Amino acid sequence: EAQVTQNPRYLITVTGKKLTVTCSQNMNHEYMSWYRQDPGLGLRQIYYSMNVEVTDKGDVPEGYKVSRKEKRNFPLILESPSPNQTSLYFCASRPGAGEQYFGPGTRLTVT
Amino acid sequence: EDKVVQSPLSLVVHEGDTVTLNCSYEVTNFRSLLWYKQEKKAPTFLFMLTSSGIEKKSGRLSSILDKKELFSILNITATQTGDSAVYLCAVGGGSNYKLTFGKGTLLTVNP
Repeated sequence: EAQVTQNPRYLITVTGKKLTVTCSQNMNHEYMSWYRQDPGLGLRQIYYSMNVEVTDKGDVPEGYKVSRKEKRNFPLILESPSPNQTSLYFCASRPGAGEQYFGPGTRLTVT
Repeated sequence: EDKVVQSPLSLVVHEGDTVTLNCSYEVTNFRSLLWYKQEKKAPTFLFMLTSSGIEKKSGRLSSILDKKELFSILNITATQTGDSAVYLCAVGGGSNYKLTFGKGTLLTVNP
């Protein structure tokens, strides 16, 4: 089944404790993105990658890192999480200019 | 800066009503416009539009794009309670084909 998977789905952590949210797609898509979704602000892009070893900042990259060492994986790293990073996070992938598929979401709470 | 504006922000209707959701945009080097439906989970794809004036249809849902006036509409006829959701509009543009999302329209269909 064609899909984007994310782990964990739910995470509660404390300020400053490094964490990684994994994202994997099995559709051989070139383009992958991370978004955060907050009430009243909609979906905002954090980082994107147009292919292996090619990543770039989206609209709200501060406090986040990404890497793209393999085509299928695009982890999101929070080196020192803060409460303002409490949000719902979505990973997404698409084949260039085509339809974008979303992962199931990761609800992160930073206390 | 790319901009996508959806209206109305929220809408309450009765089952059987017809609704029209609006999406206007300002995007550099427009490539496509996508509609998504989001219930209490990840957005799911509805339509992708690239050409003006060509209606896309799926059951009771239809959408059309006007590239001259820079907007799209999503129509839902004979609404059902299962249509209750947030409807997201996204526009792809620029050299990196970035998708910019609107804040969404919250549709509530009452029995």
